[in-house]
Amino acid sequence: AQSVSQHNHHVILSEAASLELGCNYSYGGTVNLFWYVQYPGQHLQLLLKYFSGDPLVKGIKGFEAEFIKSKFSFNLRKPSVQWSDTAEYFCAGLYNNNDMRFGAGTRLTVKP
Amino acid sequence: GAGVSQSPRYKVAKRGQDVALRCDPISGHVSLFWYQQALGQGPEFLTYFQNEAQLDKSGLPSDRFFAERPEGSVSTLKIQRTQQEDSAVYLCASSGEGTAYGYTFGSGTRLTVV
Repeated sequence: AQSVSQHNHHVILSEAASLELGCNYSYGGTVNLFWYVQYPGQHLQLLLKYFSGDPLVKGIKGFEAEFIKSKFSFNLRKPSVQWSDTAEYFCAGLYNNNDMRFGAGTRLTVKP
Repeated sequence: GAGVSQSPRYKVAKRGQDVALRCDPISGHVSLFWYQQALGQGPEFLTYFQNEAQLDKSGLPSDRFFAERPEGSVSTLKIQRTQQEDSAVYLCASSGEGTAYGYTFGSGTRLTVV
């Protein structure tokens, strides 16, 4: 079965630190990859997505992700986090255009 | 509407009670999805509609779960004889032509079965 895994359950950083959250996906034919963010009490919001082309994808709020096919990875990065980035981050893979699988999520806490 | 709307926002049900959760997708969105998100977990797929047709219900955990979208817009997820393990946030998402562009999620319904 298709699956997406996230390595870190909870990450704690200080403001201005760099961020990298790991995500691996299982092989399954056509896969489109996404990162979603969920701020406390709010709904899931799309940060960025990868379909094809340039493996380095830039999203909103200074986030980026790199698709590495050989590693089945799609890690999320941000050079300098802010307190407002405190949230839950979900990696997701869309298989065959209608089967979206989510990782378990990584909770990011940024200390001011 | 401007976004995906779900109601109620919170629901407390006594064990054995039936519940109905509503989802209003973005107007014109063809695809509609239901997910279950348990505490500390990522969303888990329940079922998928394309217009009024339920194309995949493989994620429904038991025959107590039933979903419908009779006119291809509003959808209802019904849970019969609720049990404590049904406690979770139920998320609805919709997508226009080409689901590959990602889904728009509602705020979810938090169901607590006591």
